[in-house]
Amino acid sequence: ETGVTQTPRHLVMGMTNKKSLKCEQHLGHNAMYWYKQSAKKPLELMFVYNFKEQTENNSVPSRFSPECPNSSHLFLHLHTLQPEDSALYLCASSQEGGSPYEQYFGPGTRLTVT
Amino acid sequence: GQSLEQPSEVTAVEGAIVQINCTYQTSGFYGLSWYQQHDGGAPTFLSYNGLDGLEEKGRFSSFLSRSKGYSYLLLKELQMKDSASYLCAVMDSNYQLIWGAGTKLIIKP
Repeated sequence: ETGVTQTPRHLVMGMTNKKSLKCEQHLGHNAMYWYKQSAKKPLELMFVYNFKEQTENNSVPSRFSPECPNSSHLFLHLHTLQPEDSALYLCASSQEGGSPYEQYFGPGTRLTVT
Repeated sequence: GQSLEQPSEVTAVEGAIVQINCTYQTSGFYGLSWYQQHDGGAPTFLSYNGLDGLEEKGRFSSFLSRSKGYSYLLLKELQMKDSASYLCAVMDSNYQLIWGAGTKLIIKP
């Protein structure tokens, strides 16, 4: 247990569906991240939030929409996804101003787009 | 461009020592981290090197040479539970982590 939880753990959705991924951290951190992990590829940083404000958006398609209502919760809203979006989506948190090189990851959501 | 290179797979014997290498070319450098990821699991932080030299943490050590753009993770007294992927990540000029694709460590009895 890293103190970061993600739900659901597995998700299968059609290309016309709308779904949301949820992340919650219990570590008192102020920075939260969404990553995409595909097989045999490096982790891809998607979004970064510091103190609830989005500070990075690494050219992510608009079919992925993040939401950060407070420093403990992070959502990733999904709509009209493509099969190539199938991957493991990882949420992470770190102590802003402390050590962003030390991130705490949730267990991930395994997403399959059919 | 930015790149981190790691071998895709390394095999070692239980009880032995293994070294996993990482070379990098990034725009800006504020340190290098190593993470462990078991199959189906989340990456977990192992170590961080901000300056040149060796950092030791129990059976794990990590080395950095900034002039060579090179780091390695050294695992001693290998145990079967060390079978996992090991990811290196560089903190770039934007204070974001740029990741390698990971090295799968296979341990044989």
